[in-house]
Amino acid sequence: DAGITQSPRHKVTETGTPVTLRCHQTENHRYMYWYRQDPGHGLRLIHYSYGVKDTDKGEVSDGYSVSRSKTEDFLLTLESATSSQTSVYFCATTGGGPGNEQFFGPGTRLTVL
Amino acid sequence: AQKITQTQPGMFVQEKEAVTLDCTYDTSDQSYGLFWYKQPSSGEMIFLIYQGSYDEQNATEGRYSLNFQKARKSANLVISASQLGDSAMYFCAMREVGTGGFKTIFGAGTRLFVKA
Repeated sequence: DAGITQSPRHKVTETGTPVTLRCHQTENHRYMYWYRQDPGHGLRLIHYSYGVKDTDKGEVSDGYSVSRSKTEDFLLTLESATSSQTSVYFCATTGGGPGNEQFFGPGTRLTVL
Repeated sequence: AQKITQTQPGMFVQEKEAVTLDCTYDTSDQSYGLFWYKQPSSGEMIFLIYQGSYDEQNATEGRYSLNFQKARKSANLVISASQLGDSAMYFCAMREVGTGGFKTIFGAGTRLFVKA
């Protein structure tokens, strides 16, 4: 295991509130990713990071921002949560290179009421 | 734009039989990687197999093999001798070079049901 933890594991919040999800890894992996998983859509990439302070958008980045101030931590922020952001969020890491598989965290179940 | 397509939302297979899960991809890159992951009902993502775009031989890992047809842009997963524990969601994924480095995208998944 790559030693990836996510916090919180479950969260219920109200529409309009800001929410921050944390991903922590102990493997010193360069790349980190945030995905959301919804029925019928599989995993969709929100943002990814290719180094400290280096991030890029994925396919569903609207309404989300990320930050990476340390190699081991990758934060996902919902600036103003909406019900459409109710989902399961997965963090993943990889050491880099086209052949390196991703290691996933356990996921965070977020419900926006 | 890069894309992964899994056209089978659900599939049934009899225990001990082989099953093929389809995956097609679209990319303009010459160098890319293809992956399959398994997600059981417990929710964790488990890496199964990898195929590089320059690999000439199909990848195999135990009962899993990847039928790679580069010209057709397909990367089907073959599971031989299905077991009840193979019942899960299966995701095909592709890694290619994004603006800032490697990024991986996933298909919508195929749910496999293994019947006793």
